[in-house]
Amino acid sequence: EIVLTQSPGTLSLSPGERATLSCRASQSVSSNYLAWYQQRPGQAPRLLIYGASSRATGIPDRLSGSGSGTDFTLTISRLEPEDFAVYYCQQYGSPPWTFGQGTTVEIK
Amino acid sequence: QVQLQESGPGLVKPSETLSLTCTVSGYSISSGYYWAWIRQPPGKGLEWIGGISHSGNTFYNPSLKSRVTISADTSKDQFSLKLSSVTAADTAVYYCARGVLIWGQGTLVTVSS
Repeated sequence: EIVLTQSPGTLSLSPGERATLSCRASQSVSSNYLAWYQQRPGQAPRLLIYGASSRATGIPDRLSGSGSGTDFTLTISRLEPEDFAVYYCQQYGSPPWTFGQGTTVEIK
Repeated sequence: QVQLQESGPGLVKPSETLSLTCTVSGYSISSGYYWAWIRQPPGKGLEWIGGISHSGNTFYNPSLKSRVTISADTSKDQFSLKLSSVTAADTAVYYCARGVLIWGQGTLVTVSS
């Protein structure tokens, strides 16, 4: 089973700042099948990035994913008010699919 | 437009079996993709329970494997989750999903007597 470790646990930033979220895998993620989700309170997770770097439909280009192998990053270039939420990474290359524990992006 | 909707009892007694169904509209589940169940205990993170491929192959989270069965009814475009011997630790919002892209809205299942 691939264990995903997200860091930091909480990121305190101001609107307009840059956010960098990390997801590290315990072993290489097959075909870079790594997804990022955003979850707001009371809502289902929303897919942001799949295949490590492909944006899902409707996702603004200020959100970007990068990385390969065991190290992946989600970058939000300029934080908007709607970006303050919890973010999860997930690998879907090798069953069992697994999630990271989440990173909370909060308003400073 | 593909949509997924979870349904089932919102309250299950300890030691009983939790049963949920995901109804898919706008797509035939036998045509492709991987159909998954995920859960989220209140205030906690996401946990992948398992899934079934369009061809019927199943994969389960090893931590739940002894209690989980996922099956599909392609004639109804539905797939189902059964989780046996539930305890309070199984209280969670349960989501169904098509791959990583499309998720249902989730349904809260509480385990309590």
